[in-house]
Amino acid sequence: LAKTTQPISMDSYEGQEVNITCSHNNIATNDYITWYQQFPSQGPRFIIQGYKTKVTNEVASLFIPADRKSSTLSLPRVSLSDTAVYYCLVGDQYNFNKFYFGSGTKLNVKP
Amino acid sequence: SQTIHQWPATLVQPVGSPLSLECTVEGTSNPNLYWYRQAAGRGLQLLFYSVGIGQISSEVPQNLSASRPQDRQFILSSKKLLLSDSGFYLCAWSSSGSDNEQFFGPGTRLTVL
Repeated sequence: LAKTTQPISMDSYEGQEVNITCSHNNIATNDYITWYQQFPSQGPRFIIQGYKTKVTNEVASLFIPADRKSSTLSLPRVSLSDTAVYYCLVGDQYNFNKFYFGSGTKLNVKP
Repeated sequence: SQTIHQWPATLVQPVGSPLSLECTVEGTSNPNLYWYRQAAGRGLQLLFYSVGIGQISSEVPQNLSASRPQDRQFILSSKKLLLSDSGFYLCAWSSSGSDNEQFFGPGTRLTVL
């Protein structure tokens, strides 16, 4: 089971770029890296997913080095509404019990 | 479009009482279904997942059980609740294809007294 390690919390200010790094040293060959966002009293929401190199969508970018033992979620120009918990998961799309939500990173965006 | 429903939204139950939480999905067929529990200030713990009707896999030994009587219905049950069962219960679904993005329901806040 590929577990992940993330910082417990991070602080940022509105308009800044935020980078959250996740460590997954025992990632398997078939594992993808997925990031979710969770607001209080809501279910997590998918942000981005990647396998290697860089992935970008309208919300975020995901940077994955060649060894895939870590990944970095980049949120450009955060706003107060980006205050949430961010989870990094690694999992094999064909083995559903392999998904592991850690404790996540609590991002606090200040005005 | 697909939607996922959970009820009730909140529940307060005494220790030793039974539990039944229901989750239904609309707009998709043969989804993979999941039950998670989240304790206060903690991450999500996968409890059960199902790839089809009547097919349930348990991740954590506990006094909870799950059933899938219909393709898009997932039920979480307990015969006797414990204090430690308190938490935020989330149901999720994903496509049975190669896209493994999970879509979560609104959750049920369970307090066992």
